[in-house]
Amino acid sequence: GAGVSQSPSNKVTEKGKDVELRCDPISGHTALYWYRQSLGQGLEFLIYFQGNSAPDKSGLPSDRFSAERTGGSVSTLTIQRTQQEDSAVYLCASSLVSGSYNEQFFGPGTRLTVL
Amino acid sequence: QKEVEQDPGPLSVPEGAIVSLNCTYSNSAFQYFMWYRQYSRKGPELLMYTYSSGNKEDGRFTAQVDKSSKYISLFIRDSQPSDSATYLCAMSPDNYGQNFVFGPGTRLSVLP
Repeated sequence: GAGVSQSPSNKVTEKGKDVELRCDPISGHTALYWYRQSLGQGLEFLIYFQGNSAPDKSGLPSDRFSAERTGGSVSTLTIQRTQQEDSAVYLCASSLVSGSYNEQFFGPGTRLTVL
Repeated sequence: QKEVEQDPGPLSVPEGAIVSLNCTYSNSAFQYFMWYRQYSRKGPELLMYTYSSGNKEDGRFTAQVDKSSKYISLFIRDSQPSDSATYLCAMSPDNYGQNFVFGPGTRLSVLP
């Protein structure tokens, strides 16, 4: 079946502009994660959605970052007033949630460049 | 000190070599230990996970966890050019993805 998809694959924007990044998780997966991957850094957790529960936003670096998940499926990560330090690859992952190990399946990422 | 340390490489080995990739960590609460492989311009994919200490083998890959030393390893036997990728370790005190802590990754090149 189809994996996690993300769009756009690349985004170049000017400092101060807003950007929206989209994630389509695997059908049936109730959990959805956003991560940021900067050069030479590990994946940095941003936000987590699980079913209809309130999202875990503990990883969002500032109030310029927000995310929503509509209908328990597609998610959008929005970065307002982008800064150069926001340049990174933004990865989305989805998983089932069960009692056993919950493998995360990652999308290919969106490479964001802020000029 | 970062919570998870990993040598970024790059590491170059000839085809057929045994590769050893390692991570150290500082949080003794970590119980789940994962290794991911990430090809260029792709998302990470899970290779192996281990709960608590011990060894786990899957084909040419072996994962080892030494909780007493806070040290984990991934061994790749008979390495192939197709193994060329970045390998990320990750660990967590529980099975919740938002608590995963990732290393920066080691870039591996297997030369034919």
